[in-house]
Amino acid sequence: AQSVTQPDIHITVSEGASLELRCNYSYGATPYLFWYVQSPGQGLQLLLKYFSGDTLVQGIKGFEAEFKRSQSSFNLRKPSVHWSDAAEYFCAVGSQGAQKLVFGQGTRLTINP
Amino acid sequence: GAVVSQHPSWVICKSGTSVKIECRSLDFQATTMFWYRQFPKQSLMLMATSNEGSKATYEQGVEKDKFLINHASLTLSTLTVTSAHPEDSSFYICSVSAGATYNEQFFGPGTRLTVL
Repeated sequence: AQSVTQPDIHITVSEGASLELRCNYSYGATPYLFWYVQSPGQGLQLLLKYFSGDTLVQGIKGFEAEFKRSQSSFNLRKPSVHWSDAAEYFCAVGSQGAQKLVFGQGTRLTINP
Repeated sequence: GAVVSQHPSWVICKSGTSVKIECRSLDFQATTMFWYRQFPKQSLMLMATSNEGSKATYEQGVEKDKFLINHASLTLSTLTVTSAHPEDSSFYICSVSAGATYNEQFFGPGTRLTVL
């Protein structure tokens, strides 16, 4: 069965600092991987996705993520965070033909001024 | 991506009453929609898969008689929480599937349900 682990429940970084949010997945075949962001009381917005090809994917708002098959990871990065990046971040995994997504527990990002 | 709306954005009801939540795909014909619930500071839990013109598929542990799902058209799915109780208070989010090929889902803004 598919599963997603986000080891960090809460991360605090200073504005302007770099960011890396970790995501590990468990899936037998090639996964489809997603990062979503959720602001308080809102739905989810897609930041980026990986289906195949280049393992470094670029997303919106300056985010990027790298798929590492050997480590079963899909970590999200941003070189310099802004106060508006404070939110909950969810990693999710799916597979071709299945339509369902499995979500990680989420990582809450706090930005210090 | 698809634009998805939900109505209402929040609702307060008395215990024992039923509440209907609408999920609309505004610019995309969605044969498949999903309903999730999310408790505070927790992840999304898939409740059911809603298929246009057919019965919904419920996840294990979700009471289908309590959470009634209707997907009568390609742009509208509804979730009715019947005989709501305080433990049903939660944030309910729907999503639209972009198709089985790529799994991508587009999410609505969510509905906050509070049962008194």
